[in-house]
Amino acid sequence: EVQLVESGGALAQPGGSLRLSCAASGFTFWTYWMTWVRQAPGKGPEWVANINQDGSETYLVGSVQGRFTISRDNDRNSLYLQMNSLRVEDTAMYYCARDSVVVGAFDIWGQGTVVAVSS
Amino acid sequence: ERVMTQSPATLSVSPGERATLSCRASQSVSTNLAWYQQKPGQAPRLLIYGASTRATGIPARFSGSGSGTEFTLTISSLQSEDFAVYYCQHYNSWPPWTFGQGTKVEIK
Repeated sequence: EVQLVESGGALAQPGGSLRLSCAASGFTFWTYWMTWVRQAPGKGPEWVANINQDGSETYLVGSVQGRFTISRDNDRNSLYLQMNSLRVEDTAMYYCARDSVVVGAFDIWGQGTVVAVSS
Repeated sequence: ERVMTQSPATLSVSPGERATLSCRASQSVSTNLAWYQQKPGQAPRLLIYGASTRATGIPARFSGSGSGTEFTLTISSLQSEDFAVYYCQHYNSWPPWTFGQGTKVEIK
């Protein structure tokens, strides 16, 4: 079964750090672009970051540039999001998603992990 | 950054009726447009990509059309499981890629 399972979400203080992980199974992880999407309570999804197959290309939305880093370990079939200098506005459900045959359209999603930033 | 605007915000439809959802891009996105369905407590589900190509396993009652800045998602005959929130998203050129604010399809 094709599956993505996120972990690492937690309550953090403003200025703090978290590392999200996404474990992939059931498909050839190293052949796909991968993406993080977040969704604040009651809001639409927001694309956050993506990474190409070998990790040599990464892109991040402007609001997280300089604070978040996306990476992957193809030997472990895992995707990561290192989140530093957290802000209250980073509070959201964070989803790991697989880019389909078309990069930018996400055909497999995890169940999400909750990040709450509050003092 | 392209802004995606969806209308209406809420659509009230009876089961068996047709639903037509709109999405407008602030600048052309060619046909680099996807539609997703999201139910409460679940992740989004890809329905359509390339503006009109159904994703794997998506029923034929879902169809997409449009190019440039104007797009439509049509559900030909609403089933009970189709009541949900629908989002459009562009993936034109390089990121950032943006989602619309969503259309909620509710039972009339």
